Order: sequence, then structure tokens, then C-alpha cells
Amino acid sequence: GAVVSQHPSWVICKSGTSVKIECRSLDFQATTMFWYRQFPKQSLMLMATSNEGSKATYEQGVEKDKFLINHASLTLSTLTVTSAHPEDSSFYICSATPGQGVQPQHFGDGTRLSIL
Amino acid sequence: QKEVEQDPGPLSVPEGAIVSLNCTYSNSAFQYFMWYRQYSRKGPELLMYTYSSGNKEDGRFTAQVDKSSKYISLFIRDSQPSDSATYLCAMSAGDDKIIFGKGTRLHILP
Repeated sequence: GAVVSQHPSWVICKSGTSVKIECRSLDFQATTMFWYRQFPKQSLMLMATSNEGSKATYEQGVEKDKFLINHASLTLSTLTVTSAHPEDSSFYICSATPGQGVQPQHFGDGTRLSIL
Repeated sequence: QKEVEQDPGPLSVPEGAIVSLNCTYSNSAFQYFMWYRQYSRKGPELLMYTYSSGNKEDGRFTAQVDKSSKYISLFIRDSQPSDSATYLCAMSAGDDKIIFGKGTRLHILP
């Protein structure tokens, strides 16, 4: 149980392109989803917390106009990297919690984004 | 001092050995402690989830939490090459946020 699917797994695109990443909870309803960024050999850095039906809460230093998050249903959240540049190249991972209260997060397999 | 400290390794041990991984932390408000395993180019997979101090065992894995010392450990018995991965400790004070360690790269040598 508690399976999170992320798509696509790998994206290569030109600078200036906008890229959308989807995160789905397959076998549970996720009131809260999280978006992380991970650089090589580094830990996960939380970018934003997404609650279904409301605006995402962004961490300090994360540009909300650059990283658009939509959580339109209890099973789907999307992250759009707008006008991506090479410095946005990274591994983006989403996670979700299956219920109310303190729950461990379950992660998708991540999206490797490469901007040329 | 960072909130969560974890030796990045790499840690290399022979197959069959007992592996000991650990993290220290500074925030006494942390109550929930987790260990995740991450294979290369994959998302983290939850291994262990514990609340407050004590031990928890699941198969070959044992998690220990010592809140008085602000120290948590993960033990892997009868280690196998398939255990080779990065192990991330993580902890939470009970809100939505989880703070991760940097991860320890583990290599099990056949």
C-alpha cells in the first residue's frame, strides 16, 4: 500500500521551456503532498507543501512564480517549472501522506530534469 | 550546528556483517523518527518509523532511538549486496515537516 507514482521519470529540454511533473497517489487519498529537490550526493530539500484545494506553502528561497504547484484533487499534484534554465536541472521528488495527523511520507521515484 | 547530522560515508562492509548507521540531532522537539533507503536515481523508500525512544525490529532491520542522547541508529543484520544503497535518517516534531539527514552511502561487498 501507499504507492506514489511520479511522471515523467526523466526530462531533457531546452532552456526557456516549461516542464510539468505529475505526482499521483495510486491507492490512497493524499490530503498533503510535498515537493523536494535533491542535488547529487545531497539530502532532500523541501520546496513546498501542497494541500488539496488550497495554495501551496513554499519554503524560504523557493520562487513560487518559478515553481508552480497545483493540487487539484486528493490523488494528484503537479509541479511546473516555468521557463526552465540549466541551474534548474536537478532531481525532483514528490511525496504524500495517506491520512490526518502525523504520518510518514511515501515518495515517488523522482523526475530527473536536465535543461540544456 | 545542523539540525540533523549524518556521516555521508561511504561505508563498505563485507556481506553477512552487521551494519550500524546512525544520526544525531539537536532539536529536542523531534518525536517521530524514520529511516529511508534510496537506491540510485530512485525515490526514498520508508524502512522504519518509530515514535519517541526505544527499539523497533522488522526482519533484519532494527531501529533504536535514544532521545536523551539525541541519537538514532539503524542496524542491518546479515547484510546482503542488495542492501547497498543510501540510507537517510529523517525526523519530525509532529508537524508536516520532515528534516532529513544527508544520507549514508552503504556498500555491501560480496
